[in-house]
Amino acid sequence: AQSVAQPEDQVNVAEGNPLTVKCTYSVSGNPYLFWYVQYPNRGLQFLLKYITGDNLVKGSYGFEAEFNKSQTSFHLKKPSALVSDSALYFCAVRDKELTGGGNKLTFGTGTQLKVEL
Amino acid sequence: DGGITQSPKYLFRKEGQNVTLSCEQNLNHDAMYWYRQDPGQGLRLIYYSQIVNDFQKGDIAEGYSVSREKKESFPLTVTSAQKNPTAFYLCASSPTQNRPYEQYFGPGTRLTVT
Repeated sequence: AQSVAQPEDQVNVAEGNPLTVKCTYSVSGNPYLFWYVQYPNRGLQFLLKYITGDNLVKGSYGFEAEFNKSQTSFHLKKPSALVSDSALYFCAVRDKELTGGGNKLTFGTGTQLKVEL
Repeated sequence: DGGITQSPKYLFRKEGQNVTLSCEQNLNHDAMYWYRQDPGQGLRLIYYSQIVNDFQKGDIAEGYSVSREKKESFPLTVTSAQKNPTAFYLCASSPTQNRPYEQYFGPGTRLTVT
């Protein structure tokens, strides 16, 4: 089965500084990778995905992620963090395409991002 | 949270009672999913459905049941057989055509069983 790991339970960063939330993956074949964000007591919001193509993927709210095949990583980045970016971030990988369509996703355990003034 | 609604937002039940969580979507998606979220464990797939009147078990289906009588609706029943039902439950949907891959999530239902 495919898997992702988020090695940091929490990341703290000052507002205005760049942020990185780490994700590494283990897959057989080509990886399909995703980032989601979750605000307290809310559902997950899709940020961005890597399917194929450019290694730098741009997404919502100024976030981007860099796909690195040699390091099997897909780190989420933002050049200048905002207090409003404070949330729980999940990395996910497509585990398998389901017969009949749709996809089974496997999620990491999440990284809590805290952006402070 | 897009066009997926879940109700209620908070639900409290006594141990031994079955409880049904609602999930409705107006995105015209064929596939729907139920996940369970526990602190520090990420999301785990309970059941999924790709077409009306058909559904498949996910990784942690024991103690849960679902139905898919309409394309828009995918209710989840947490039965008394589920040993640890207190959790945050998330419903999601996705198309099955044109391969967009990502799933769209509802706002979730927090279930507390005492």
